[in-house]
Formats: sequence, C-alpha cells, structure tokens
Amino acid sequence: GAGVSQSPSNKVTEKGKDVELRCDPISGHTALYWYRQSLGQGLEFLIYFQGNSAPDKSGLPSDRFSAERTGGSVSTLTIQRTQQEDSAVYLCASSSGRNSGNTIYFGEGSWLTVV
Amino acid sequence: AQSVTQLDSQVPVFEEAPVELRCNYSSSVSVYLFWYVQYPNQGLQLLLKYLSGSTLVESINGFEAEFNKSQTSFHLRKPSVHISDTAEYFCAVSESGFNKFYFGSGTKLNVKP
Repeated sequence: GAGVSQSPSNKVTEKGKDVELRCDPISGHTALYWYRQSLGQGLEFLIYFQGNSAPDKSGLPSDRFSAERTGGSVSTLTIQRTQQEDSAVYLCASSSGRNSGNTIYFGEGSWLTVV
Repeated sequence: AQSVTQLDSQVPVFEEAPVELRCNYSSSVSVYLFWYVQYPNQGLQLLLKYLSGSTLVESINGFEAEFNKSQTSFHLRKPSVHISDTAEYFCAVSESGFNKFYFGSGTKLNVKP
C-alpha cells in the first residue's frame, strides 16, 4: 500500500477483554515495528520483526502482550486481559531493510482506551 | 541500550523567532540520528536524519540539526518559525548494525502569532 495502515483507528474496550490491533506495512518493507505512546510519554519500543521472525521482543511489557507477523506482511498485536494502564496509542512502523539507517514510516496509530 | 533525552517538553515561541529543540543521547557508539515530527491529528513523519558525512543536515522546510559527537547531541534549529511548524517533535537514535530505534519523550513546539 501507499503507507502504513493500522486498524482499528480507535478502540474502547472493557477491562479484562482481549484486543487485537492490526498493521499493514508498506508493500515490500521487511522490517516492522510496534511502539506504544502513552499520554505525555515518548515512544516505547515493543517489538521488531524482520520478515516473519521477531529478533527483538524485549519491549513487550508483560506476557499479556504478543505479536505475530504472517507472510512477511501484516502484523497483529494482541493484548489479553486488558488493563487500564494499557490505554495508549499503539503505533506501527515499517522500513525497507535491515540497515538501521533506513527511514521508518509510521502509521497513524490505534488509540486504545480501556474502561 | 540507548536513552534519548529531550529536556524541553514544551517550547512556546512567537512567529518568525528562532527556535532550538534540544536532544541528547546516551551512548557514543556509532549511531544514526533522526528527528520526526507529528503535526496535529497526523502520524509521525521523518523531518531529517544524520547517517554519516557532514554533521549538519537540513530539511526541506528550513529546519537543520547538527550532530555533535563529543556532546552526544543532535539539536534541531530553525532561524524563523511559522505557525505551520506547530507540532510535536521527536528525536530518535539507532545504533549502527542494530535495527532498533530509541525515541525521546517529544517536544511540543507551539508557534504563536
């Protein structure tokens, strides 16, 4: 696609429910990232994919968080048993390769509110 | 691991005044440096980046940033700001060979008429 696409753009869920957030990266981009942006905070790294593998998942805050990527393209971030502190904007980004000098392109984010 | 510090969470400035947004990072290993901008109700987009070569890099809309290795800084400057520059600016660092980007907490630039 022309840009990184994320869905849903907004999600309100009840505490304890599971949510899935989807990211469709730019076509041909092999690297995919998930970040979290909480109110007044910077971008918190969650996980990085190169192709379908995740060489760095060190940023996932707890075992309630998981992510997968299939076909080297679409990725899904799943949060189980959501808590209020999970409320944030979840940003997906992609880049064209393994070089850390490559520009990463962000989607517009999925706003998650846990009530 | 790197840490990125943006000391100023908010910077108010009048239109046509100069501005500097500060960014410091923690490690002196080989790094790549980036500034991203987030305009109201939009996603983050790259403003400029330093990979190698000249330590002064420029964007198409008049911003510039200078890589200072000894001070581990990458401050963003513009000699004369416009209302349209109102946005949040994020500094980011990646280490050469590691495909992981560390972001600062952001600086909100508010340009007033």
